[in-house]
Amino acid sequence: DTGVSQNPRHKITKRGQNVTFRCDPISEHNRLYWYRQTLGQGPEFLTYFQNEAQLEKSRLLSDRFSAERPKGSFSTLEIQRTEQGDSAMYLCASSLDPSYGINNEQFFGPGTRLTVL
Amino acid sequence: GNSVTQMEGPVTLSEEAFLTINCTYTATGYPSLFWYVQYPGEGLQLLLKATKADDKGSNKGFEATYRKETTSFHLEKGSVQVSDSAVYFCALSPYSGFQKLVFGTGTRLLVSP
Repeated sequence: DTGVSQNPRHKITKRGQNVTFRCDPISEHNRLYWYRQTLGQGPEFLTYFQNEAQLEKSRLLSDRFSAERPKGSFSTLEIQRTEQGDSAMYLCASSLDPSYGINNEQFFGPGTRLTVL
Repeated sequence: GNSVTQMEGPVTLSEEAFLTINCTYTATGYPSLFWYVQYPGEGLQLLLKATKADDKGSNKGFEATYRKETTSFHLEKGSVQVSDSAVYFCALSPYSGFQKLVFGTGTRLLVSP
């Protein structure tokens, strides 16, 4: 396992189109996180999963955004009716459950850069 | 609420210079504190962490001490190298059992030979 992977790495779309991103976490990690990073800013938390359950969503995640992790492994983030303000880097991270009491570092993927024209 | 404030960059240094990047935080409870680094073209990597007051995190010559009294977690390195050029993010996790990270805006470090 070489770490967290994300696809695609880059996506250019026109305003109003739908886009979907995929994240494959480290295989033994049961927690998966999505963040958004705009230019010159730090990442902002969007949502996270414990196995297949989505446990928290930020208010940044409008109703145009939906995330799934159907089998507790990979996750998808879909943005419907994209707007220019959605242009950002979308980051995925995974970790072990901190209740395991061992190192629960979040490992980040390389991100998907979205450009909405 | 929870927030992190770090010094604006870029920070420009010559090789072997001493580095300090300031970070202060606001949090309820007892957060864990982190420094992440992002090298050009790569994903975020954990550089070091501290989970309780007075803990010192260290890695690759970088150090940061969790100071509860000043709500700070400043990053230091005694002698920087060109390869340390990157963007450094200070972050907190509101409490140890939940790892939602709150990041600062990042500080770009440029080290010249």
